Amino acid sequence: DIQLTQSPSFLSASVGDRVSITCRASQGISSFLVWYQQKPGKAPKLLIFGASTLQSGVPSRFSGSGSGAEFTLTISSLQPEDFATYYCQQANIYPLTFGGGTKVEIK
Amino acid sequence: EVQLVESGGGLIQPGGSLTLSCAASTFSVSSNFMSWVRQAPGKGLEWVSIIYSAGDTYYADSVKGRFIISRDNSKNTLYLQMNSLRADDTAVYYCARERGGIYGMDVWGQGTTVTVSS
Repeated sequence: DIQLTQSPSFLSASVGDRVSITCRASQGISSFLVWYQQKPGKAPKLLIFGASTLQSGVPSRFSGSGSGAEFTLTISSLQPEDFATYYCQQANIYPLTFGGGTKVEIK
Repeated sequence: EVQLVESGGGLIQPGGSLTLSCAASTFSVSSNFMSWVRQAPGKGLEWVSIIYSAGDTYYADSVKGRFIISRDNSKNTLYLQMNSLRADDTAVYYCARERGGIYGMDVWGQGTTVTVSS
């Protein structure tokens, strides 16, 4: 199975900060990497697919980069509604797997 | 609005069986790839199973041989039959439309809670 390691697992930041989350795969997955946002008690929401393509309706302050085995989700200017947990997911090989999550909290 | 609505969760004893349902509105379950994803209390997301539009199915190793994914095209509903349930199957179960390939899961239900306990 492909393991996805997210770092950091916890991030404390202020409104307006630029934040980045890294997702490393245990083997190359080309661009088969998806990012989700999840708020407490809610279902995940698709943010980015294909490692770097923004899902329709997602604010442009979110961006994704990377290919192969290392990927990054960046929020250019953190907004109050962005405080949530973020997950990466590989869509290259079954079983599909998720990273452990990064919780972004208010400093 | 594109929507998925899960039902069927509840409290079940270890070794028991339960079937979850996921009703779709505004799109066809049979024409899409559909997945189940679960989340144990306080934990991360875990993919459980997928059914292709052609009917092919895949499972996580943790549920293979115990869970069965299926659909009823006439009811536009996805199912997850869960047998031989264990305490570590306790989770919120989400159904999701899987667009396949690089595209990820773009529509999610609200989730239904399964608790396996005596």
